[in-house]
Amino acid sequence: GAVVSQHPSWVICKSGTSVKIECRSLDFQATTMFWYRQFPKQSLMLMATSNEGSKATYEQGVEKDKFLINHASLTLSTLTVTSAHPEDSSFYICSARSDMGDTQYFGPGTRLTVL
Amino acid sequence: KNQVEQSPQSLIILEGKNCTLQCNYTVSPFSNLRWYKQDTGRGPVSLTIMTFSENTKSNGRYTATLDADTKQSSLHITASQLSDSASYICVVSPYNTNAGKSTFGDGTTLTVKP
Repeated sequence: GAVVSQHPSWVICKSGTSVKIECRSLDFQATTMFWYRQFPKQSLMLMATSNEGSKATYEQGVEKDKFLINHASLTLSTLTVTSAHPEDSSFYICSARSDMGDTQYFGPGTRLTVL
Repeated sequence: KNQVEQSPQSLIILEGKNCTLQCNYTVSPFSNLRWYKQDTGRGPVSLTIMTFSENTKSNGRYTATLDADTKQSSLHITASQLSDSASYICVVSPYNTNAGKSTFGDGTTLTVKP
């Protein structure tokens, strides 16, 4: 089946630093990738939709200058949390949708803790 | 406004028992409905995907049903196991998925106790 990986699986950083999270589709090409944020005991919240080779579309209330998304290839999208603050601590999950269907395949998530 | 409502919010059952989770939606036009299982601290894993014309789909001990007329879906878990403890999320996609705006339910947290 389709596999999506994320790296790193967890990261702890100091306030003010930037953190990059990678999302890769391992065995299929993903024209579209999604980035979600999930707080404890809450549902996934869509942050942005990225299409390969074009700018990401951000959801209302998500700062595009703070959460930089780059979908450089059909198998890789990155999310950079710039100047991270403790309130950015969350579980970040990406998903990828292949060109062959509507199913989204989710990555295992990245736990970000900002001290 | 597209909405997906899941019930119950949480459920506790004994190992070996069956349970049914509900999902009601208002997404229109409708393309497909998916059930995901999310273990704590992990990404969601797809269980079933159903299109407009499908009424029932099974995946092992998981059976999903869909009534497109009443816009309701259920996920039935048979002979529950401790490993079934997780959050179950219902996701509904509109007909035109180019926008990528699937609607997520808040999930049902299932706890299976020995």
